[in-house]
Amino acid sequence: DIQMTQSPSSQSASVGDRVTITCRASQSISTYLNWYQQKPGKAPQLLIYATSTLLSGVPSRFSGSGSGTDFTLTISSLQPEDFATYYCQLSYSAPWTFGQGTKVEIK
Amino acid sequence: EVQLLESGGGLVQPGVSLTLSCAASGFTFSRYVMSWVRQAPGKGLEWVSGISGSGDTTYYADSVRGRFTISRDNSKNTLYLRMDSLRAADTAIYFCVKDLGYFTFDFWGQGTMVTVSS
Repeated sequence: DIQMTQSPSSQSASVGDRVTITCRASQSISTYLNWYQQKPGKAPQLLIYATSTLLSGVPSRFSGSGSGTDFTLTISSLQPEDFATYYCQLSYSAPWTFGQGTKVEIK
Repeated sequence: EVQLLESGGGLVQPGVSLTLSCAASGFTFSRYVMSWVRQAPGKGLEWVSGISGSGDTTYYADSVRGRFTISRDNSKNTLYLRMDSLRAADTAIYFCVKDLGYFTFDFWGQGTMVTVSS
């Protein structure tokens, strides 16, 4: 099975900061990589799919990049509503594994 | 508007069975792959099982294969997850999710909690 490793596991940041989260696959997955945001007590929400395509309605401060084994989620200017946990997810093959999550906290 | 409403969770003892349901609306249910994703308390997300739109093809995580059975009734727009031989490690919120394509989950239900404890 392909393993997905996110880093960091948590990050403290301030409003306006640029935040970067990394996801690494244990083998090449082309661009079959998605990103989700989860706020406490809520279901996750899809933000970005196929590495870099923003779901309709997702603010343009979110962006994704990468290919093969290394992927990045970037928030260009962190907003108060962005404090949450972010998960990457493999959509290349079964099992459709998630990364362990990155919690973005207020500094 | 897409809506996914899970039900059937609860507190059960180890070894028993439980069936979760997910009532879907707002989209043509039979056209989409559907999955279950779970989240243990304070932990990350784990994909559990998926099923094709027709119901002919099913997929399972190794952790549940042989114990869980996914199914769907397209006439009722409902997804099911039958869970047998439940273990404490199955304790989690179970989310019903709709597939955008390539097992990309674009809509999630609110989840139903399953607690396995003696």
